[in-house]
Amino acid sequence: GEDVEQSLFLSVREGDSSVINCTYTDSSSTYLYWYKQEPGAGLQLLTYIFSNMDMKQDQRLTVLLNKKDKHLSLRIADTQTGDSAIYFCAETLLGFQKLVFGTGTRLLVSP
Amino acid sequence: DAGVIQSPRHEVTEMGQEVTLRCKPISGHNSLFWYRQTMMRGLELLIYFNNNVPIDDSGMPEDRFSAKMPNASFSTLKIQPSEPRDSAVYFCASSPGQNYGYTFGSGTRLTVV
Repeated sequence: GEDVEQSLFLSVREGDSSVINCTYTDSSSTYLYWYKQEPGAGLQLLTYIFSNMDMKQDQRLTVLLNKKDKHLSLRIADTQTGDSAIYFCAETLLGFQKLVFGTGTRLLVSP
Repeated sequence: DAGVIQSPRHEVTEMGQEVTLRCKPISGHNSLFWYRQTMMRGLELLIYFNNNVPIDDSGMPEDRFSAKMPNASFSTLKIQPSEPRDSAVYFCASSPGQNYGYTFGSGTRLTVV
């Protein structure tokens, strides 16, 4: 079945690294995504990873995928106050187009 | 590209009134999705279209909700009659195809009093 879970809240200091975690239950996931939602805005696609990869790096963002444990993480290096937002992980399932979103993790970056 | 355009940005209406939310997807995107976001339920997929045809409407809460996509550049989500529990942010998103991810609009914040 479809179930994507995330911790609700993460607080870090500016300049530290942030790690946001996500677990999913469906082993037929094909692509996994990270979206960012700033206050009053829609969701913005940050990055994605194909299910046969275990790591993807994009500037300050690193995505790690542990397919055996169905665990996805997003690491933000040198976190800035502008990174404060809600981060959603999402998966697409084999043969389906719809995205299943997690509950979202609210990241608060303090100066 | 202007992105996915939703209107209105904010809507306040009285219980029992009809509400129509509008969406213009990105040109060339053949899939369109309507989501609802609330604190209690998070993001819920209401319905999605592929090439203007509704594919999955299992998330539409009840018969008061209806969605149409008369052409590739326009979709509406209608609630009639509206109820206070419909208060939420409604997002439209479009996608060029499977596994490409979505582009979201800025949402319509609906308040039913």
